[in-house]
Amino acid sequence: AQKVTQAQTEISVVEKEDVTLDCVYETRDTTYYLFWYKQPPSGELVFLIRRNSFDEQNEISGRYSWNFQKSTSSFNFTITASQVVDSAVYFCALSEYTGGFKTIFGAGTRLFVKA
Amino acid sequence: SAVISQKPSRDICQRGTSLTIQCQVDSQVTMMFWYRQQPGQSLTLIATANQGSEATYESGFVIDKFPISRPNLTFSTLTVSNMSPEDSSIYLCSVGTGGDEQYFGPGTRLTVT
Repeated sequence: AQKVTQAQTEISVVEKEDVTLDCVYETRDTTYYLFWYKQPPSGELVFLIRRNSFDEQNEISGRYSWNFQKSTSSFNFTITASQVVDSAVYFCALSEYTGGFKTIFGAGTRLFVKA
Repeated sequence: SAVISQKPSRDICQRGTSLTIQCQVDSQVTMMFWYRQQPGQSLTLIATANQGSEATYESGFVIDKFPISRPNLTFSTLTVSNMSPEDSSIYLCSVGTGGDEQYFGPGTRLTVT
């Protein structure tokens, strides 16, 4: 069965600080996909990144970076030099091949960035 | 990418009534999903709706309570039947193709009084 754990319920940082959001997943599949989504106060879900299980290469996109480690079943997300506009709920998600690629979401981490 | 619209965007309903939520996609998609997001909570998958077959419901969700239609590759409806205050949530439609990122509609905010 697939499962996604985001142990951090809320994180509060001051602007310009770096912050890492943790994500640990469980799956028995060898083929799966991991995602991060952002849900700002407006409510709409914004796709940030997708990683497949065969690609452990870390990725950087501007101030965002992602660290995928199969050995620890983790897919962590780091925001460098955080800004107030980064304040949102961030969801980690998992999609399994044998699950018909339905996507299961973690509980989410609410990030507050204070000016 | 896909652009998804939902109707209504919000509604306030009396307990015991039913509400049908519409989801329209601007392109043909095979897989559509319906999620529920209760206040301050994560997204919970209700069912997967593929065109030409019956919807597949997740544990805890049943067809009598959440009937789904999928008449074609661009449209789906979710009905919340015999509503109670516990059904107050945001209901989201999404589309995706095997491992690709899912695109989400703006959601329907339902309040049951």
